[in-house]
Amino acid sequence: DTEVTQTPKHLVMGMTNKKSLKCEQHMGHRAMYWYKQKAKKPPELMFVYSYEKLSINESVPSRFSPECPNSSLLNLHLHALQPEDSALYLCASSQLEGRGSYNEQFFGPGTRLTVL
Amino acid sequence: DAKTTQPNSMESNEEEPVHLPCNHSTISGTDYIHWYRQLPSQGPEYVIHGLTSNVNNRMASLAIAEDRKSSTLILHRATLRDAAVYYCILRDVNNAGNMLTFGGGTRLMVKP
Repeated sequence: DTEVTQTPKHLVMGMTNKKSLKCEQHMGHRAMYWYKQKAKKPPELMFVYSYEKLSINESVPSRFSPECPNSSLLNLHLHALQPEDSALYLCASSQLEGRGSYNEQFFGPGTRLTVL
Repeated sequence: DAKTTQPNSMESNEEEPVHLPCNHSTISGTDYIHWYRQLPSQGPEYVIHGLTSNVNNRMASLAIAEDRKSSTLILHRATLRDAAVYYCILRDVNNAGNMLTFGGGTRLMVKP
């Protein structure tokens, strides 16, 4: 199983709503990632989790709150978002075997978020 | 990680070879060259990677210049399914976070 699944596929929310995006993988990967992709732009890294601990936060606003409840699951909790946060949110996972190793990232299909 | 430069778009005919260039003049000795592609309405997928020698796999070939300041992704026979945005990414082998920093990419259009 080399699949990363993301739910929901589409999400529309108001600026006062609280919602969560979910990502799941069963490849035994110990690194998981959130990327944000605006239309016609490349993906931008938001967060990296290594061994279920947050290792990298690319200066993401606190209205985005990641959570890694176990090694297979990654959530992104959303609260008080702005319309400019509308984008495709991509989750990825990879092995994490230390410096010098190449660990291909596997991406999910993304959640398309619209903030009204 | 060093920066890469790619053409914004390229066009190819179906069943013909495609050569996608990437310039990375500031590459360091510990930077691997990676290619990912993103098909329409999908997340990116890994294509190939290399350090110094040319590489082949079932999807593509990677030709790396002797000075490593440029590389070319080669699709031997383009199909309509190969229409995608192709990203050339440099990643330092010492980057323990395994982070990928995507540049603008090349949008490949394949004509039947």
